[in-house]
Amino acid sequence: GEDVEQSLFLSVREGDSSVINCTYTDSSSTYLYWYKQEPGAGLQLLTYIFSNMDMKQDQRLTVLLNKKDKHLSLRIADTQTGDSAIYFCAEGSSNTGKLIFGQGTTLQVKP
Amino acid sequence: DTGVSQDPRHKITKRGQNVTFRCDPISEHNRLYWYRQTLGQGPEFLTYFQNEAQLEKSRLLSDRFSAERPKGSFSTLEIQRTEQGDSAMYLCASPGQEFGGYTFGSGTRLTVV
Repeated sequence: GEDVEQSLFLSVREGDSSVINCTYTDSSSTYLYWYKQEPGAGLQLLTYIFSNMDMKQDQRLTVLLNKKDKHLSLRIADTQTGDSAIYFCAEGSSNTGKLIFGQGTTLQVKP
Repeated sequence: DTGVSQDPRHKITKRGQNVTFRCDPISEHNRLYWYRQTLGQGPEFLTYFQNEAQLEKSRLLSDRFSAERPKGSFSTLEIQRTEQGDSAMYLCASPGQEFGGYTFGSGTRLTVV
C-alpha cells in the first residue's frame, strides 16, 4: 500500500545546513510536498515539486527528487532557530488529490 | 490567515456526545478534504468532496462519522457517540486547481473526556 517514511529526529547547529529525507512507495504520485508544523500551530506549506522535476530551489530551501529510488529530500541552508519545527513529507495524486503523509521529522536547531 | 477557516478551534466533549465541525474552504476551490492528526503522527486522510459530491471515504471513517458539503461550499464533519479514541486534530484542506497550493486550515482540536 501507500507509505511515506521519514527519520524522526534531526539536530543541527545554527548556521549549518539541514537535510531531511523521505522515502515513498506510490510510483503514481504526481506531487510531493514539504510542510512545516510549529508547536500548537497548523500545517504550513513550505514547497512542493512535480514528479517530473529533479530539483526545486526556493530561497534557503532546496528539494531534490530521485524518482527511481522514490527518495525526496529537503535541504535548509543557513538553518536558524526559527526553523525548529516538525517537517512533514507528503505524496499526492492528481487523480484524487489526497495526500499521504510521513510521521514527521522533528528538527532541533541549537544556538 | 490561511484562507481556510475551521470552527471551532477547540472542542471538549463527554464520551457518547455528538459533535460537529465546520470548514469554510477558499471560495474558488471545488475540492475539499478532511484529515485527522493524532499526537506524534502525520495527518491521515478521511474523506474528500468535489463540489457537493463525496468521492472517497477512508476506512478510518467509521459509520459514526458523516460529512456533508451542501451546495459545494462549506463542509461539516459530524461524529456521533464520540469515543476517547476520536480525540485528535481534525484538519480541512483546500487545494488549488494545480494542487500546488494545498492549504490547510488551523484545525479543530477535539478532546473526548
